[in-house]
Amino acid sequence: EIVLTQSPGTLSLSPGERATLSCRASQSVSNSHLAWYQQKPGQAPRLLIYGASSRATGIPDRFSGSGSGTDFTLTISRLEPEDFAVYYCQQHGYSSYTFGQGTNLEIK
Amino acid sequence: EVQLVESGGDLVQPGGSLRLSCAASGFTFSSYWMHWVRQAPGKGLVWVSGVDSDGSGTYYADSVKGRFTISRDNAKNTLYLQMNSLRAEDTAVYYCVKDLRGWGAFDIWGQGTMVTVSS
Repeated sequence: EIVLTQSPGTLSLSPGERATLSCRASQSVSNSHLAWYQQKPGQAPRLLIYGASSRATGIPDRFSGSGSGTDFTLTISRLEPEDFAVYYCQQHGYSSYTFGQGTNLEIK
Repeated sequence: EVQLVESGGDLVQPGGSLRLSCAASGFTFSSYWMHWVRQAPGKGLVWVSGVDSDGSGTYYADSVKGRFTISRDNAKNTLYLQMNSLRAEDTAVYYCVKDLRGWGAFDIWGQGTMVTVSS
């Protein structure tokens, strides 16, 4: 099973700043099947990025994904107040799916 | 509007059983893989099980293999999760999710249904 490790665990930033979230896989992620989700308290997760770098429908262009192999990054170019949430990466391989433990993006 | 609505969550004793349902609407249900993902209180997301578009292929996390059974009724646009031999560690919100075909990602999520396993 591929283990995904996200860093940092908590990221404290101010609105308008740039956020960089990391996701590292224990083995290479096949076909860049790496996705990112945003989850706010009391809500279901929302798909932000799939295929490592493609934005999902309706996702603002301040969200971008990059990376391949074992190292992936989610970047939020200029934080808006509504962006403060928990972010998860997720991979798919060999009929199994795993999530990272999450990064809590909090207001500084 | 694309929508997934889960039901069936409840308080159940250890060793008991429960069946979750997920009603899908707004898309061609029979064309997509579907999954269950759970989240224990205050914890992260965990994939539980998936089923291919016609129900012939089913997949499970090791933690639920042999205890849970995923199925679907494409005529009723409904996904199911039969949970047997429930344990305290199965306590979680269970989300029904739609597969983003070809990408191994989950593009539509239900609101979740709470399963509590406790005596």
